[in-house]
Amino acid sequence: DAKTTQPPSMDCAEGRAANLPCNHSTISGNEYVYWYRQIHSQGPQYIIHGLKNNETNEMASLIITEDRKSSTLILPHATLRDTAVYYCIVSRTSGTYKYIFGTGTRLKVLA
Amino acid sequence: GAVVSQHPSRVICKSGTSVKIECRSLDFQATTMFWYRQFPKKSLMLMATSNEGSKATYEQGVEKDKFLINHASLTLSTLTVTSAHPEDSSFYICSASRLDGGPTDTQYFGPGTRLTVL
Repeated sequence: DAKTTQPPSMDCAEGRAANLPCNHSTISGNEYVYWYRQIHSQGPQYIIHGLKNNETNEMASLIITEDRKSSTLILPHATLRDTAVYYCIVSRTSGTYKYIFGTGTRLKVLA
Repeated sequence: GAVVSQHPSRVICKSGTSVKIECRSLDFQATTMFWYRQFPKKSLMLMATSNEGSKATYEQGVEKDKFLINHASLTLSTLTVTSAHPEDSSFYICSASRLDGGPTDTQYFGPGTRLTVL
């Protein structure tokens, strides 16, 4: 079973920030939080990952709570091309690690 | 960097035939590659983990004799669906983990292969 829970769907107005939450209350100390998105009929695209500090790159920002039990992916200025299913995954980084995908959040950016 | 390709992107075959899908890491070496299957409107389900030069590790419920995985080099893994049936019709996606990826072992995904079995 997936170790994360996400809302099934969200809408966001174009140009506004999209804030996508993820709960991972059973996360272990050596597990990272990864975010990917999947546009229809394509492979998932890597967005960002983090351990405990907040992270930012050219695509998004990742805010992880101090207890690491939840996180939020922030798309600062959503565009129509950001419409996709967003997956939050927790995974170890050594040994036999693997991604277990949950159901994700279907984000729809509205014009 | 970190580009993964798959070939073919689409394949249609007759029931009972075998189909091979290739997954290549184009600009990096991958110690580990993963194969996923995705049914319409569903999430990705991990089928197997493959390490270069060793046998693949299959997830529970995935038939290893039906879904043959070969990871012969650090840039190529193949998935062969043997004796395909209509219920094998799905979107197959591979991912690769960089050899030099440091401590985070991020997976990079291919574009997927849509298999239709008639």
